[in-house]
Amino acid sequence: KNQVEQSPQSLIILEGKNCTLQCNYTVSPFSNLRWYKQDTGRGPVSLTIMTFSENTKSNGRYTATLDADTKQSSLHITASQLSDSASYICVVSDRGSTLGRLYFGRGTQLTVWP
Amino acid sequence: EADIYQTPRYLVIGTGKKITLECSQTMGHDKMYWYQQDPGMELHLIHYSYGVNSTEKGDLSSESTVSRIRTEHFPLTLESARPSHTSQYLCASGASGVEETQYFGPGTRLLVL
Repeated sequence: KNQVEQSPQSLIILEGKNCTLQCNYTVSPFSNLRWYKQDTGRGPVSLTIMTFSENTKSNGRYTATLDADTKQSSLHITASQLSDSASYICVVSDRGSTLGRLYFGRGTQLTVWP
Repeated sequence: EADIYQTPRYLVIGTGKKITLECSQTMGHDKMYWYQQDPGMELHLIHYSYGVNSTEKGDLSSESTVSRIRTEHFPLTLESARPSHTSQYLCASGASGVEETQYFGPGTRLLVL
């Protein structure tokens, strides 16, 4: 069964600190992996997308890594800000059909305190 | 910020009522999607469309129906709302391509009493 597991389920950090969120997946065949940020009451917004051959990709203070061999990804947030408080969702796409089916994790709820 | 809109943002309605959730995008995307999301849970695909007059059911069984008469418009209809339909409904669109990114609307929070 294709799955996407994220950890931790929730995380509280102080403003200015760094943090790392984890994503493990069993989706096969693998096409790409995305990290989305979902603010409370809003739809998810794409942060990064990585294909099989990419190991790391940055978007400002967000850096995503991918190890396709171990099927693991991480999202590192540097110098956190209050506005980083949100749910971070890992999404994996397979290439088993023309749909490019997406598998969603349940997200990590990040809270940044002042 | 993606140009995809959903209305209403919040809806409280009684059991048995017919409701339509609106979704529109101005990006000219062929593909559109409806997801259902409960608090703390993952998104579940309930409907998708590859273009005008094309609609398919997603992974999660849903009593809702959709239509795609125009590229920019993808409404979702519940003929008879029930309390089990209480959830957040997210609409998304994307351009065709291997690295398609889905752009999400703000969502509609539905409460059926």
